Formats: sequence, structure tokens, C-alpha cells
Amino acid sequence: QVQLQESGPRLVKPSQTLSLTCTVSGGSISSANYYWSWIRQHPGKGLEWIAYKYSSGSTYYNPSLKSRVTISVDTSKNHFSLNLTSVTAADTAVYFCARVSSIEIWFDPWGQGTLVTVSS
Amino acid sequence: DIQMTQSPSSLSASVGDRVTISCRASQNINNYLNWYQQKPGEAPKLLIYAASTLQRGVPSRFSGSGSGTDFTLTISSLRPEDFATYFCQQGYTTRITFGQGTRLEIK
Repeated sequence: QVQLQESGPRLVKPSQTLSLTCTVSGGSISSANYYWSWIRQHPGKGLEWIAYKYSSGSTYYNPSLKSRVTISVDTSKNHFSLNLTSVTAADTAVYFCARVSSIEIWFDPWGQGTLVTVSS
Repeated sequence: DIQMTQSPSSLSASVGDRVTISCRASQNINNYLNWYQQKPGEAPKLLIYAASTLQRGVPSRFSGSGSGTDFTLTISSLRPEDFATYFCQQGYTTRITFGQGTRLEIK
């Protein structure tokens, strides 16, 4: 059973870069059937997808964040990462990683999520 | 982007009730519609994909229907563990969008 776990700093200063890693266990991140994704949820709000990517190519970014976001996949470590630059308080949110079916785009399973706070 | 609108935004119901949540897309998305359940402090959980296919392990009291622009999630007989927030999500385009959520509360 595939499981995902987010890791990274919980507190980031304004203007700095938010960096998170999602470690995949119980399955290969190289599978051609899946993308790997990041989604965030502002406190008490809805869900916002950030980006998703195949292990060996195709990458999709939310246009509203595209200029600040990079998603990368490391097949040797079976994990993928998120970098979000020039953060502000508006980037404070719970960040989830999730596997995405590439046949019809749905998210399953999800990591437990990690709250990242942007504050000086 | 395709806008996903859920109704109602919140709903009060009792254990044993039949509940229906609606999700409307701003344009045709065929059956590329998925439903998630989220409990406080937890990650969302996929319930239904492709509008009507129950994810493995999800109880059969959950069902989904619809195609095109109008979709429905039905819980046939509410159990205490079903009180949560439900989100729809379209996967028709690469620019994924979610509904704003429907909070299901105990009456």
C-alpha cells in the first residue's frame, strides 16, 4: 500500500523559499501510471492544487503560482519536492502531497499534510 | 479555468438521514469528477472517481452520479463517522479545480 509523508521546515521567513519533500513508500515513484503532486489548504479554507509531475517529464503548474513554484522528482530516493520562492503570509497553509492517477486526474493517496507558517 | 460550485455550503442532518450534495461545473467535464471526504485535522480521502465509481474500501452507502455539468454525491443513511467536509474536483483539464466544500454537521 502506497504511503506518502511530507517533511520540511514548519516555519519560513517572508521572502524566503519554502521547501518540502514527500517521501513515497510501498511503491515506485517511477510508475508511468501516476503523477506526483502538491496541494495546499489555507486555514479553514478549500483546496488549491499547486503542481503535479510525471517522474520522467510532463509538469503542470497552477498558473497563479507558476512563477514561484518548482516541483521535482528524485527517482533514486523515491521522493519528490516542492520549492516555493518569495513567500508571504498568504502562503501560510497546510501543504499536502498526493499521488495523481494519470488516466483520470484524481488524488489518492494523500500525505497527512504539514502546516507551514510564513512569519518573521 | 473551470469553476466548480457545490451546494449547499453547509448542511445539518441526523444519523440515518439520506443526504445529497451537488456539484456544478461551469462547462462540460464529461464524467471527470471526483469526490473527497475530509475530517478535521486529516488529509482528504478519495471517495468516488469518474463521477460514479466507488474507491476501494469506501462503504456502499456512498454513491455518485451525473455527467456533463451536474453531479451528485449521495449518502444513503448517515453514520456518525460521515460528518465531515466534502469536496468535488474536476480532472477534465490539466488545470485542476476543486469545489469550495460542503460541511456536513450533526443536527
